[in-house]
Amino acid sequence: GDSVTQMEGPVTLSEEAFLTINCTYTATGYPSLFWYVQYPGEGLQLLLKATKADDKGSNKGFEATYRKETTSFHLEKGSVQVSDSAVYFCALSPNSGGSNYKLTFGKGTLLTVNP
Amino acid sequence: GAVVSQHPSWVICKSGTSVKIECRSLDFQATTMFWYRQFPKQSLMLMATSNEGSKATYEQGVEKDKFLINHASLTLSTLTVTSAHPEDSSFYICSASRHQFLPWGHARNGYTFGSGTRLTVV
Repeated sequence: GDSVTQMEGPVTLSEEAFLTINCTYTATGYPSLFWYVQYPGEGLQLLLKATKADDKGSNKGFEATYRKETTSFHLEKGSVQVSDSAVYFCALSPNSGGSNYKLTFGKGTLLTVNP
Repeated sequence: GAVVSQHPSWVICKSGTSVKIECRSLDFQATTMFWYRQFPKQSLMLMATSNEGSKATYEQGVEKDKFLINHASLTLSTLTVTSAHPEDSSFYICSASRHQFLPWGHARNGYTFGSGTRLTVV
């Protein structure tokens, strides 16, 4: 079945540091890939997504590129801020037909950014 | 953009009582709704998938008689935790999905999450 593996946290950085959170996946076909962010006590918010190979998703300074050859979708940000402190989830969904296709999540990575 | 409203945001109930959580898609029709449970510092565990007008499909290990899901319309799904016990205390999150087609024929699922419900059973 489909699976998502992301680097385990927690990750602690100083403000303005470079961030990478690794994510690799296993899936049949050509899934869509997502990064979600969860702030304390809240639901999930879509951060960025990519629907086909070589697509780059970007939002709020975060970027991730859909790499089919390495089955990866690593999240990066050049300069993190304290407000980026949250849990980040990598996820995938199948792309073939129907809206019943479930999101498969990674375990989440807690990011703490210190001033 | 797509908005999903989930209520209540938090609830405290006595052991043995039932609690209903609502999930509404405010500006789109959700063909499918998903219900998740999240334990502290853990990922989301999918509980069930529901399509409007049909019975929910529960994941293995989820008690369908304890977690009743109703999806009566394309904009509303409810999760009722029946005879709640302290071990049911958790963070419950809904997600609404709408089906989208891309020009090259691949379907893309748009998922929008509710803000979650913190259930505490005392």
